[in-house]
Amino acid sequence: TQLLEQSPQFLSIQEGENLTVYCNSSSVFSSLQWYRQEPGEGPVLLVTVVTGGEVKKLKRLTFQFGDARKDSSLHITAAQPGDTGLYLCAGANAGGTSYGKLTFGQGTILTVHP
Amino acid sequence: DAGVIQSPRHEVTEMGQEVTLRCKPISGHNSLFWYRQTMMRGLELLIYFNNNVPIDDSGMPEDRFSAKMPNASFSTLKIQPSEPRDSAVYFCASSLATGQPQHFGDGTRLSIL
Repeated sequence: TQLLEQSPQFLSIQEGENLTVYCNSSSVFSSLQWYRQEPGEGPVLLVTVVTGGEVKKLKRLTFQFGDARKDSSLHITAAQPGDTGLYLCAGANAGGTSYGKLTFGQGTILTVHP
Repeated sequence: DAGVIQSPRHEVTEMGQEVTLRCKPISGHNSLFWYRQTMMRGLELLIYFNNNVPIDDSGMPEDRFSAKMPNASFSTLKIQPSEPRDSAVYFCASSLATGQPQHFGDGTRLSIL
């Protein structure tokens, strides 16, 4: 069974601070996706990283995929209250009969205070 | 464009009753996924279909749970009989193909009393 450990579980910061969320596994993934979920809604895809070592930027968000494709990080610069939400990482199975099946981390609940 | 549509949005019922959750995936998407989300266990994959065929149902908790996809535009997740521990938010998601990014519905919040 593939597991993704996400940390920290909870993060409460002030507006303007920087933060990093980590997603680690002992398994190799064909790709890693980051989602953001708000209360009462389903997760919404932020980004997909595919290549080991890949870095993608989405405004103030920077996503990195580990060289071995086993881990990833999400860095937010100058956090704003609108960034508040549940952040989920999800790894896609690299092969076998369940190719593409996503394994989700437990999530990081981020609260940004004005 | 219409996203993934789930119904009902909320369901409250007594234990022992049959519960049916419904999902309409995005048109043209070939893969459909059913998830359950709780505070304790996070987001868990229950079952997924590719081209209407169940591929992996290893996440289905027990025989009380069943899922069908009679055609490309409709799927159901049924719990019979329901138990209080089934209370959770159930999400349906679809993707163009297996391994592609998934688009989630807004979920069904299920409460079993």
